[in-house]
Amino acid sequence: AQSVTQLGSHVSVSEGALVLLRCNYSSSVPPYLFWYVQYPNQGLQLLLKYTTGATLVKGINGFEAEFKKSETSFHLTKPSAHMSDAAEYFCAVSGYNNNDMRFGAGTRLTVKP
Amino acid sequence: DVKVTQSSRYLVKRTGEKVFLECVQDMDHENMFWYRQDPGLGLRLIYFSYDVKMKEKGDIPEGYSVSREKKERFSLILESASTNQTSMYLCASLPNRAGSYGYTFGSGTRLTVV
Repeated sequence: AQSVTQLGSHVSVSEGALVLLRCNYSSSVPPYLFWYVQYPNQGLQLLLKYTTGATLVKGINGFEAEFKKSETSFHLTKPSAHMSDAAEYFCAVSGYNNNDMRFGAGTRLTVKP
Repeated sequence: DVKVTQSSRYLVKRTGEKVFLECVQDMDHENMFWYRQDPGLGLRLIYFSYDVKMKEKGDIPEGYSVSREKKERFSLILESASTNQTSMYLCASLPNRAGSYGYTFGSGTRLTVV
């Protein structure tokens, strides 16, 4: 079974500052890991994913995440925050089967001018 | 791009009503899912379906049922709506049985039961 813990339900950064959203997972099988973003009153949009291969994955809008097996982490980063990054971010983990994707509780990112 | 369309963005229903939430996807995906999203709880899986007329319970199926008569359409049914079913409901689809693709989500239906 898989599970995800997102550290921090709210993160606030200044425009131009580093964004770091933390995600730790638990999985009994090699995991697939995902980050989704949700803008107000919208569904979830896939930001990036790790399946196999390179552990540093790049996504849309300048975001990237690094899979660290030894730390069971998949933290999301962006070097310089933009006002348009304000949204809720969800980390998710799955194994091979479709029905076992599990989501974290979400982290709301606020970007201050 | 895959499009997942949920028929209603906002719904207000009365306690005890039978409620239908509709979801349609246009890319011939075999797999479809219904989640509810609540603050601080993330997304929780209600039901999913791998094929027409096939359904599987997720983590929180109580009080819900589903219908999949056609491949492109997956309906969530609240048999007798209650106030604790007030939530955001999200539909998703997936092209095959491999989890590596990631889900495509609809825009969500915010349901209020009064």
